[in-house]
Amino acid sequence: AQTVTQSQPEMSVQEAETVTLSCTYDTSESDYYLFWYKQPPSRQMILVIRQEAYKQQNATENRFSVNFQKAAKSFSLKISDSQLGDAAMYFCAYRAVYNFNKFYFGSGTKLNVKP
Amino acid sequence: GAGVSQTPSNKVTEKGKYVELRCDPISGHTALYWYRQSLGQGPEFLIYFQGTGAADDSGLPNDRFFAVRPEGSVSTLKIQRTERGDSAVYLCASSLYSNQPQHFGDGTRLSIL
Repeated sequence: AQTVTQSQPEMSVQEAETVTLSCTYDTSESDYYLFWYKQPPSRQMILVIRQEAYKQQNATENRFSVNFQKAAKSFSLKISDSQLGDAAMYFCAYRAVYNFNKFYFGSGTKLNVKP
Repeated sequence: GAGVSQTPSNKVTEKGKYVELRCDPISGHTALYWYRQSLGQGPEFLIYFQGTGAADDSGLPNDRFFAVRPEGSVSTLKIQRTERGDSAVYLCASSLYSNQPQHFGDGTRLSIL
């Protein structure tokens, strides 16, 4: 079974600084997708960034970028120039290409941004 | 609508009662998903609908949980004989097709006293 592990329950970063959130996963599939979702107190899961496993190039979305290490099954999220609005729970998620109805989520990392 | 709508936002009920949670997906989205998010955890898959049919209900924890989507749009998650362990946030998501990105609602926080 696929598992997603986020080993940092809580992280803090100073406004305008950079922070990296860690995620590892376990799978026997060769093709899959990885995601980072943000969940503010409103509870809505907001897609931050997505990575296709077959792409070697790391995905980037404005201030958000990933470090995808397929062999190590690692998928970390880097947030640059952190803003107060970045404070939220962040979830790493996995989805297989051929069983795409299921997401497997990690337990989340709470990100605090200090002014 | 503009996004996935879930009602009620919060539901408090007594142990043993029956509850229904509603999800109104984005118009035109064929795929609909239910997740359960316990305190301090990530969402866990419950069930997936493609159109009117439940294509995968392997995440439903037991036979007290049931979901329907009779017209391929709105879905209702039904929980019978509720237990305190059912307390969680129930999230609904929809996507245009099953291989497209999922859009989540704000969830229903269910509290069983």
